[in-house]
Amino acid sequence: EDQVTQSPEALRLQEGESSSLNCSYTVSGLRGLFWYRQDPGKGPEFLFTLYSAGEEKEKERLKATLTKKESFLHITAPKPEDSATYLCAVEGSSGGSYIPTFGRGTSLIVHP
Amino acid sequence: KAGVTQTPRYLIKTRGQQVTLSCSPISGHRSVSWYQQTPGQGLQFLFEYFSETQRNKGNFPGRFSGRQFSNSRSEMNVSTLELGDSALYLCATSTEGTETQYFGPGTRLLVL
Repeated sequence: EDQVTQSPEALRLQEGESSSLNCSYTVSGLRGLFWYRQDPGKGPEFLFTLYSAGEEKEKERLKATLTKKESFLHITAPKPEDSATYLCAVEGSSGGSYIPTFGRGTSLIVHP
Repeated sequence: KAGVTQTPRYLIKTRGQQVTLSCSPISGHRSVSWYQQTPGQGLQFLFEYFSETQRNKGNFPGRFSGRQFSNSRSEMNVSTLELGDSALYLCATSTEGTETQYFGPGTRLLVL
């Protein structure tokens, strides 16, 4: 069974204070690891897909990296508008079915 | 480009009733996936439809069903509602599968 564990559950940062969110996973046949951002009362917003260990992707103040066991979402010099819940998901290929498994998320608050 | 549309946005039902939720995908997207999000369990995959066929299914009871029409619009149905079915139901669409999905705003269902 695929599993995703995100840490920390909650994170408070001051504006400009860089940090990283962790996503540890176990999966049979990784097809992709996904990062989403979810604002209260809204659906998740796609950020990145990573496919293989060593891959990195960047978007504005966010950078996602992937190893064989975990992924990090690095947030550089965050701003208050970066406050949201960040979700990590993996999709494996167990038994020919492609079912995404989500972590519980990291709630990020950035104070001005 | 219009985003994913879900209707209705809010719904209140009583135990034992059934409910039908609708999802209209982004133009050109043929894959529609449905998810249930609750504070206790997080985001969980229900099923995915592609070209009017159910392609993947999560671990939910048979009371949860869905279908997809030739224009890629999808509906999900929950019969014999239980209190525990209260949740935010999200649909996500993509061109081919569950990679790089775009989520709708969700339908918030309350079962009394």
